[in-house]
Amino acid sequence: DAGVIQSPRHEVTEMGQEVTLRCKPISGHDYLFWYRQTMMRGLELLIYFNNNVPIDDSGMPEDRFSAKMPNASFSTLKIQPSEPRDSAVYFCASSLRDTYNEQFFGPGTRLTVL
Amino acid sequence: KNQVEQSPQSLIILEGKNCTLQCNYTVSPFSNLRWYKQDTGRGPVSLTIMTFSENTKSNGRYTATLDADTKQSSLHITASQLSDSASYICVVKTGANNLFFGTGTRLTVIP
Repeated sequence: DAGVIQSPRHEVTEMGQEVTLRCKPISGHDYLFWYRQTMMRGLELLIYFNNNVPIDDSGMPEDRFSAKMPNASFSTLKIQPSEPRDSAVYFCASSLRDTYNEQFFGPGTRLTVL
Repeated sequence: KNQVEQSPQSLIILEGKNCTLQCNYTVSPFSNLRWYKQDTGRGPVSLTIMTFSENTKSNGRYTATLDADTKQSSLHITASQLSDSASYICVVKTGANNLFFGTGTRLTVIP
């Protein structure tokens, strides 16, 4: 298995633009997580899905952020409009059953908003 | 307040030396604690998971301990190697499936 796949790996955009991050989880995993990582705050859970259904989105910072999982093999995290403070590395992770089990992280997308 | 605190923030050691990283938590109710290793530019990778009944668990040169009474965990690295240079993140899971992350310890092993 190729592991969790994220794209793009790097994204540079200007303030106010829409940004879409993409994730393909490991086949067969039924949980998918989106995280944001910054030097100041470390890893923060934004939202997670179980069987394509959002379970907990309490970590989503504000209405500018939205996430979807239209099927078991694809998820998106969208920021509209983007702001400089959104600059961070965004990770997607997937796991089997529940969060007791090991989460496998993708390589991350480094987002820079100018 | 549910918190996970790690110390030190950063650490530099000589290759071949041992080191211990600390994780203190106030998370309740406790379900499990996991240590992740994150290499620069990559996603975290799980090293070990500790449940309430486990005191010690090893994964090669990595040994994790858990004291559920004092709510402390440590990660001991034996005979460090250059490849151990990474950030180590402590994550505590509650019974309600909530995850709480420490901000990590940045370890640098120098030759």
